[in-house]
Amino acid sequence: SQKIEQNSEALNIQEGKTATLTCNYTNYSPAYLQWYRQDPGRGPVFLLLIRENEKEKRKERLKVTFDTTLKQSLFHITASQPADSATYLCALLMDTGRRALTFGSGTRLQVQP
Amino acid sequence: ETGVTQTPRHLVMGMTNKKSLKCEQHLGHNAMYWYKQSAKKPLELMFVYSLEERVENNSVPSRFSPECPNSSHLFLHLHTLQPEDSALYLCASSSRASGGPNTGELFFGEGSRLTVL
Repeated sequence: SQKIEQNSEALNIQEGKTATLTCNYTNYSPAYLQWYRQDPGRGPVFLLLIRENEKEKRKERLKVTFDTTLKQSLFHITASQPADSATYLCALLMDTGRRALTFGSGTRLQVQP
Repeated sequence: ETGVTQTPRHLVMGMTNKKSLKCEQHLGHNAMYWYKQSAKKPLELMFVYSLEERVENNSVPSRFSPECPNSSHLFLHLHTLQPEDSALYLCASSSRASGGPNTGELFFGEGSRLTVL
């Protein structure tokens, strides 16, 4: 069955650097993939959606890529700030019969000042 | 403020209690969801309601009972829970085409932190 894999280890980077987070999936490529941000004790907040026919999507300092050959999405935050520290989740439909998103376990990002 | 409100934010209950979690969305969406988030684990989908009809039940124990009286309100009724049910319960909503999969973003509430003693 389809699996979603995100690096469970926290990513620590210095302020001003670019953070890159990875989301890998197995089996078939979904029609689209979403990224969310979650702060401790709060609900996830939608950031970006990228479709299978889109190689790249940008929103302010955020950039998402989608490589269906590698079965991977990369999430970049440029000029990172301490306020970007949070857990970032990727989400997709596990199969065409499902009616709701399945989430990865998330990667915690810590931006040091 | 996401437009999805969950109450209570925190709940402590014994294994023999009966309680309910409430979710209300003010976004005009037609689909609502319950997710469970335990420590160190990914969000687990529990139930999906689309146009007030339950369209997905993800093998959730019967001690969890959802109710969707209209497109704006969603409840999760809890009874005879176990300590391992302690988690953050998240409600979400979205717009979806009738009979189709969810292709839009999810709007989450802040969650209800449940502790079962």
